[in-house]
Amino acid sequence: GAVVSQHPSRVICKSGTSVKIECRSLDFQATTMFWYRQFPKQSLMLMATSNEGSKATYEQGVEKDKFLINHASLTLSTLTVTSAHPEDSSFYICSQREGPEEQFFGPGTRLTVL
Amino acid sequence: AQKITQTQPGMFVQEKEAVTLDCTYDTSDPSYGLFWYKQPSSGEMIFLIYQGSYDQQNATEGRYSLNFQKARKSANLVISASQLGDSAMYFCAMREGRNQGGSEKLVFGKGTKLTVNP
Repeated sequence: GAVVSQHPSRVICKSGTSVKIECRSLDFQATTMFWYRQFPKQSLMLMATSNEGSKATYEQGVEKDKFLINHASLTLSTLTVTSAHPEDSSFYICSQREGPEEQFFGPGTRLTVL
Repeated sequence: AQKITQTQPGMFVQEKEAVTLDCTYDTSDPSYGLFWYKQPSSGEMIFLIYQGSYDQQNATEGRYSLNFQKARKSANLVISASQLGDSAMYFCAMREGRNQGGSEKLVFGKGTKLTVNP
């Protein structure tokens, strides 16, 4: 199955700073990647769908100017949390679909904003 | 309306026993896929099993099987011979649509926390 990596695995930052999270597909060229957010003891909520070479599609209620997504190549998508605040502290996890029956997830990035 | 419903916030099972985790779904699309994932405390999402809406037989993967009842819109996960390492959160998810383009999103239920007791 597909291998998806994320970097960093954990980040702590001060309020007001920006944080970039990388999601890499190691063995599959993904035209589409998905970014999810998971608050403690909650389910995964889709934030946006990242499309290679075009603009991302954001879910309702997700601020596109705050969560910048770039999918410049078939193996890399990045999520930048701009001007992070404590309420942005969460577990961010990317995912790619390899076929109709498979969807794999990265190991996730735990963001803590002080 | 919620697309995926998992009514069991927590479940307990004795080691070596079987356990069923419930999942019901709501869709009007005739083409869809159902997924189960395991999430241990480390946070990674581990794919367990997939069932397509047109599949005639219930999916099985080792100790995992999916009890697919299409008319009732249920897709329960059965774990046989539970092991201590099975303790984790389990999420049911659905993808709708017959478009194979790859942009259809996966929607998750709230999850069930399974605890396997020795």
